[in-house]
Amino acid sequence: AQTVTQSQPEMSVQEAETVTLSCTYDTSESDYYLFWYKQPPSRQMILVIRQEAYKQQNATENRFSVNFQKAAKSFSLKISDSQLGDAAMYFCAYRRAYYSGGGADGLTFGKGTHLIIQP
Amino acid sequence: DAGVIQSPRHEVTEMGQEVTLRCKPISGHNSLFWYRQTMMRGLELLIYFNNNVPIDDSGMPEDRFSAKMPNASFSTLKIQPSEPRDSAVYFCASSSGTKEETQYFGPGTRLLVL
Repeated sequence: AQTVTQSQPEMSVQEAETVTLSCTYDTSESDYYLFWYKQPPSRQMILVIRQEAYKQQNATENRFSVNFQKAAKSFSLKISDSQLGDAAMYFCAYRRAYYSGGGADGLTFGKGTHLIIQP
Repeated sequence: DAGVIQSPRHEVTEMGQEVTLRCKPISGHNSLFWYRQTMMRGLELLIYFNNNVPIDDSGMPEDRFSAKMPNASFSTLKIQPSEPRDSAVYFCASSSGTKEETQYFGPGTRLLVL
């Protein structure tokens, strides 16, 4: 079974600084997808960024970028120029790529990292 | 385009009562997922459907939980009878069902069983 581990229950960063959230995963699959979701106090799950395992290039979305190390099974999220609106829970998630009886699989989530932005 | 719609947003009920949570996926999406979020267990997949057919229900905790998807635009998650340990936030998500799909989440239903 796949597992996703986020070893930092909480992180704090000064506004405008850079912070990196860690995520490791365990899988025997070679083709899969990795995601970072943001959950603000409203509880809405918001996709931040996604990475396809067969792509070497690290994904970026504006101030958000990932460091994907496939051999190490590591998938960290870097937030540059942190803003107050970035304060939230961040969840790392994994999904294997192939169909299981038709359609894509469900997500396996880590326990989350609570990100605090200090003004 | 409207996102995933869930109702009710909040539900308070007493132990032993039946609870029904509802979900309307994004139009055109053919995969639908139910997740549960608790402090102790985090976010966990309960069940998912593809083209209205249940594919994997191994995450459904007990026989008290059941889910249906009678058509492409509606799904229900039912708990009967409810217990205090069922208190959680229940999310519905939908996706296009392709290999490259991204799941989009509804706002969740916060359930409190007294």
